[in-house]
Amino acid sequence: EVQLVQPGAEVRKPGESLKISCKASGYTFINYWIGWVRQMPGKGLEWMGIIYPADSDATYSPSFQGQVTISADKSISTAYLQWSSLKAADTALYYCVRGGFGELFRFDYWGQGTLVSVSS
Amino acid sequence: SSELTQPPSVSVSPGQTARITCSGDGFPDQYAYWYQQKPGQAPVLVIYKHSERPSGIPERFSGSSSGTTVTLTISGVQAEDEADYYCQSSDHGGTYAFFGGGTKLTVL
Repeated sequence: EVQLVQPGAEVRKPGESLKISCKASGYTFINYWIGWVRQMPGKGLEWMGIIYPADSDATYSPSFQGQVTISADKSISTAYLQWSSLKAADTALYYCVRGGFGELFRFDYWGQGTLVSVSS
Repeated sequence: SSELTQPPSVSVSPGQTARITCSGDGFPDQYAYWYQQKPGQAPVLVIYKHSERPSGIPERFSGSSSGTTVTLTISGVQAEDEADYYCQSSDHGGTYAFFGGGTKLTVL
């Protein structure tokens, strides 16, 4: 059974750094793209970027390029999303998603989401 | 263009047919995908490649494409189908993805 397991919540202050994780299981991690989707409170879905764990090739939405970093550790089947300096506007629910086999943008499995709260 | 336009809301009575449209100038060349999101839950893929249905998704969900508009059709709507629905596609170069604004389906 394919699973993407994320921590439930993280709380930080503005200016702090953060790295959230997505632990994959139930499939061959390096064979599928894995990405991130943001959902701000009461709002819609926003695609942030995606990475191919086999070679760490990553592509980002123009809206998020330079704002976050996506990485993956294939030795532990885990993808990451990180910020170097959080802002209050980063408060949102972040989902990790698996891309389809040979079909980059078919998001067939979703994690349960990590709620990131940024407040002073 | 990276813009997908959906109606904010659609309302239908149980047993009727719901149609949710999504317009984008990348269609039909770029594939459309549809996701269902119920309150407090992660989205679920219900249609891929314009009209393909993943295993486990009821047959009442179908997708179609005509010109620059794609449509998610739910036949014989049930109360459990009440949710937000999002279309998604990618740019012409296949470099990045983007979502429509979402449509809230209300079952009266």
